[in-house]
Amino acid sequence: DVKVTQSSRYLVKRTGEKVFLECVQDMDHENMFWYRQDPGLGLRLIYFSYDVKMKEKGDIPEGYSVSREKKERFSLILESASTNQTSMYLCASSRRGAGELFFGEGSRLTVL
Amino acid sequence: AQSVAQPEDQVNVAEGNPLTVKCTYSVSGNPYLFWYVQYPNRGLQFLLKYITGDNLVKGSYGFEAEFNKSQTSFHLKKPSALVSDSALYFCAVRDPGYQAGTALIFGKGTTLSVSS
Repeated sequence: DVKVTQSSRYLVKRTGEKVFLECVQDMDHENMFWYRQDPGLGLRLIYFSYDVKMKEKGDIPEGYSVSREKKERFSLILESASTNQTSMYLCASSRRGAGELFFGEGSRLTVL
Repeated sequence: AQSVAQPEDQVNVAEGNPLTVKCTYSVSGNPYLFWYVQYPNRGLQFLLKYITGDNLVKGSYGFEAEFNKSQTSFHLKKPSALVSDSALYFCAVRDPGYQAGTALIFGKGTTLSVSS
């Protein structure tokens, strides 16, 4: 089975802190994605990557950056966390082509 | 602009009755359509997809969906609902013309509640 593992299920951070969310997939997928999920808004794409060291902005990249140094790992970075970044963050991966996305269990971030 | 609409925030059905969760889409090219389910505090699980071919797609847990190009719809259905089907359901579309390539565009979700 495809497995997408997000390193932290729950995090509590303070405003201004730098936050790292880590994601690892074990199926050699080319594509990896970061979404955030908020009630009533569904999932919104933050960043995605289609290859190592490649990244593309999604619909809401402001306040975030990403890193993909290895094929299996895709990190989301909040340079200076703010309260409006309190959310559920979902990592996903897929093979190149028309394949479905496989999601991790999510990381629920609270910024105080 | 690409978009997915799930017109109902919540759908309530009795166990054993058929269920339908509605989805309509708007894309510039031929759509690839997906349904996902999410249980509380969990990630999304893939249910089914339409890429091409037969308009009726069968998926996991007895769910199916019908692609209707003229109505730009992809409604999720199940002949007989179970209490365990209660969850949050997301419709998603991939538009080859979307700048994010293979990323999916998601609807806002529909909460399905099945009563015993």
